[in-house]
Amino acid sequence: IAGITQAPTSQILAAGRRMTLRCTQDMRHNAMYWYRQDLGLGLRLIHYSNTAGTTGKGEVPDGYSVSRANTDDFPLTLASAVPSQTSVYFCASSDHDRESGELFFGEGSRLTVL
Amino acid sequence: GQNIDQPTEMTATEGAIVQINCTYQTSGFNGLFWYQQHAGEAPTFLSYNVLDGLEEKGRFSSFLSRSKGYSYLLLKELQMKDSASYLCAVMDSNYQLIWGAGTKLIIKP
Repeated sequence: IAGITQAPTSQILAAGRRMTLRCTQDMRHNAMYWYRQDLGLGLRLIHYSNTAGTTGKGEVPDGYSVSRANTDDFPLTLASAVPSQTSVYFCASSDHDRESGELFFGEGSRLTVL
Repeated sequence: GQNIDQPTEMTATEGAIVQINCTYQTSGFNGLFWYQQHAGEAPTFLSYNVLDGLEEKGRFSSFLSRSKGYSYLLLKELQMKDSASYLCAVMDSNYQLIWGAGTKLIIKP
């Protein structure tokens, strides 16, 4: 059982370049999320999707875009990367039918923008 | 604004008990979560509290007082593998998760 798979695991990127972080889940969860995690800060929500075909903005959406063409995939795109987007990015999913609504996380993508 | 407070770092001894506190101020409340995150890894779910009281799950227990905006995670019989960061998160009235910065727990032999 793979759960959630993120790619790439790590990437160094020049400022101004376009980058897409991939996220795929095989649990048939309806909700998916993208977070960034920075030292000394809590996880911050970038974008989310409650179901295939819909997306919403989180706490820090600027500079990022997402799409949810199907249940399994939820890519995150940085149209023109800037150094402040250097972070660890986590994709997560949840099943709204679960009482607790717990999140299942991917292993993370470490992005460095120079 | 919404705020989750937890200590930045704690140290405890193998075999002992440690309590990690979390206080919160959020717009509404739809549950409190604790996650464990080992260095360089993804967070994993530990517990969920929506009603006041203590939830016990093996060596780990989580307590909630909604009137005080307070929770704690209690870890018993500490093992070296418990060295990790522990993240407190609250689901607000819009069903959005608000995360604390995490408490790094260091276990010494």
